[in-house]
Amino acid sequence: DQQVKQNSPSLSVQEGRISILNCDYTNSMFDYFLWYKKYPAEGPTFLISISSIKDKNEDGRFTVFLNKSAKHLSLHIVPSQPGDSAVYFCAAPRVGGSTLGRLYFGRGTQLTVWP
Amino acid sequence: KAGVTQTPRYLIKTRGQQVTLSCSPISGHRSVSWYQQTPGQGLQFLFEYFSETQRNKGNFPGRFSGRQFSNSRSEMNVSTLELGDSALYLCASSQGGFSSYNEQFFGPGTRLTVL
Repeated sequence: DQQVKQNSPSLSVQEGRISILNCDYTNSMFDYFLWYKKYPAEGPTFLISISSIKDKNEDGRFTVFLNKSAKHLSLHIVPSQPGDSAVYFCAAPRVGGSTLGRLYFGRGTQLTVWP
Repeated sequence: KAGVTQTPRYLIKTRGQQVTLSCSPISGHRSVSWYQQTPGQGLQFLFEYFSETQRNKGNFPGRFSGRQFSNSRSEMNVSTLELGDSALYLCASSQGGFSSYNEQFFGPGTRLTVL
């Protein structure tokens, strides 16, 4: 059951331009969302999060937008840098009940930033 | 503060064998979650342990099992290995609270290859 979906497996962007990574979810019980970044041969590292009570969260070059009615979130990276080239995962936990300690992940989007 | 460590980093096994992977969480963290990452599938949740008890389990066959020790270190075991078990196995640790989301910190993973 793919409750978190990233429909674009890859994205290629020129250095300095904006990268927009998209994520959709199906479970209306999700109330918190995270983006992780993963380099090859390393584990995912937390990038930025957003609570469902907000529609935007910003951290430096990274901004996440949440549209609850559309069950959609997006990660914007401005400006994109070659070091941003990695796989980006969208994830959501559920709090309480049997889903404690579990993150639901999308399949990831490979971002390539070229000079 | 030391991060999450996983051993071994790489492992090659043949079909039918069994394997044990180890994860040492961040000091003070009581929850350890395990994920399997295969190409194009994102991270699939295996199980989560908290205070030596399995608190949550994903949709994997019984060949996949785990345990957690009193020092919070965790092991996962895969018996009767199949070719499809070839994957990156990631563990994540968190404080493991019950009432709110606790950020998960990932280890570098164990790359398992089944021949």
